[in-house]
Amino acid sequence: GAVVSQHPSWVICKSGTSVKIECRSLDFQATTMFWYRQFPKQSLMLMATSNEGSKATYEQGVEKDKFLINHASLTLSTLTVTSAHPEDSSFYICSAPDASSTDTQYFGPGTRLTVL
Amino acid sequence: LAKTTQPISMDSYEGQEVNITCSHNNIATNDYITWYQQFPSQGPRFIIQGYKTKVTNEVASLFIPADRKSSTLSLPRVSLSDTAVYYCLVARGGNAGNMLTFGGGTRLMVKP
Repeated sequence: GAVVSQHPSWVICKSGTSVKIECRSLDFQATTMFWYRQFPKQSLMLMATSNEGSKATYEQGVEKDKFLINHASLTLSTLTVTSAHPEDSSFYICSAPDASSTDTQYFGPGTRLTVL
Repeated sequence: LAKTTQPISMDSYEGQEVNITCSHNNIATNDYITWYQQFPSQGPRFIIQGYKTKVTNEVASLFIPADRKSSTLSLPRVSLSDTAVYYCLVARGGNAGNMLTFGGGTRLMVKP
């Protein structure tokens, strides 16, 4: 299947700082990517849809000014957690659909964010 | 998006066949059924996808009855490494750009 990578795989930061997470589709192009957040023992929650060349679409309750999304190219989307706080500590996962395969999305390995 | 219902958890033993059933009563005509596997601290991994009847690949089988209101993921002869959370998702087919809504998943524990 298609490969999606994320960088970094984990990050620890101080409260108030900003953290950028990258999501790349390695062997296919993705005009759309999705960002999820997952707390321990819980399911994935969709945060936003990243659209290449246009603004991201955020799910209800997700602050767009806090979670900045930039879909810079057909293979790269970035999520920046601005002014991070301990409650933002979570596992962030991106996914990208492979348009050549019916409704199959491929997920990145995830990024563990810990805010001290 | 069709809502899915799965058992919260299941236990099994090595070598056994495991069947996880998912209910999706409101599935639409264009919806496909997809199953993902997730290990701790990893992103979900695609297992299998189907529309109707039976689909089989090298790791699992997916059984879908004629009314498509449920589906069953079958894992033959599980091993300890199959311990994971399994998610059943239903989403509109033909457009891989559709967002996926995850339910609670089924936490499978395989015991020696």
